[in-house]
Amino acid sequence: QSVLTQPPSASGTPGQRVTISCSGSSSNIGSNYVYWFQQLPGTAPKLLIYRNNQRPSGVPDRFSGSKSGTSASLAISGLRSEDEADYYCAAWDDSPSVYWVFGGGTKLTVL
Amino acid sequence: EVQLVESGGGLVKPGGSLTLSCAASGFTFSNAWMSWVRQAPGKGLEWVGRIESKTDGGTTEYAAPVKGRFAISRDDSQNTLYLQMNSLKTEDTAVYYCTTGILDYWGQGTLVTVSS
Repeated sequence: QSVLTQPPSASGTPGQRVTISCSGSSSNIGSNYVYWFQQLPGTAPKLLIYRNNQRPSGVPDRFSGSKSGTSASLAISGLRSEDEADYYCAAWDDSPSVYWVFGGGTKLTVL
Repeated sequence: EVQLVESGGGLVKPGGSLTLSCAASGFTFSNAWMSWVRQAPGKGLEWVGRIESKTDGGTTEYAAPVKGRFAISRDDSQNTLYLQMNSLKTEDTAVYYCTTGILDYWGQGTLVTVSS
């Protein structure tokens, strides 16, 4: 069971806007930055959003992140077929002997 | 260009040992904090542990499921990160990724299968 909670699946049609939620607690999302990763089938995860809402170089501005309290969300606008992937949220956790915690992942299907 | 290349995965029996390596290039490895993250087949991501840069103390930290069995080390002269895994269990079966600092760069992963 993952420390951060994500919906197992999400879907949308090309051009739509989709959001994926990530819920945590005061020891992780509530007090630390949130990160989002995209994992295309058969590949390694790739950093999509860091520090809640920052995009690494090369990540399209169709991807955006936000955080409020102990929850965060990833929004994908102008959905494209190549966005079909698994998406994971992560955060540092301040609990003893716990460091990086992840969500269980959300499988995004582009219909 | 940052590159991380893991190696050393394979099939090992329960109770056995294995050492993974991660060859790094394209950044100043000696200054980087490094982590290992694993992914069991069909499952999500799980942080395994991390090592600080030597200048920051070189301290290691581990997730509860592997503490006392796994050890992370680094050879800055060879730009290489290691994960020594002992007393392996079937539940350690996963693809193991090495990652940089804030998990901003990932290797392609190496599969470890623990089975009799």
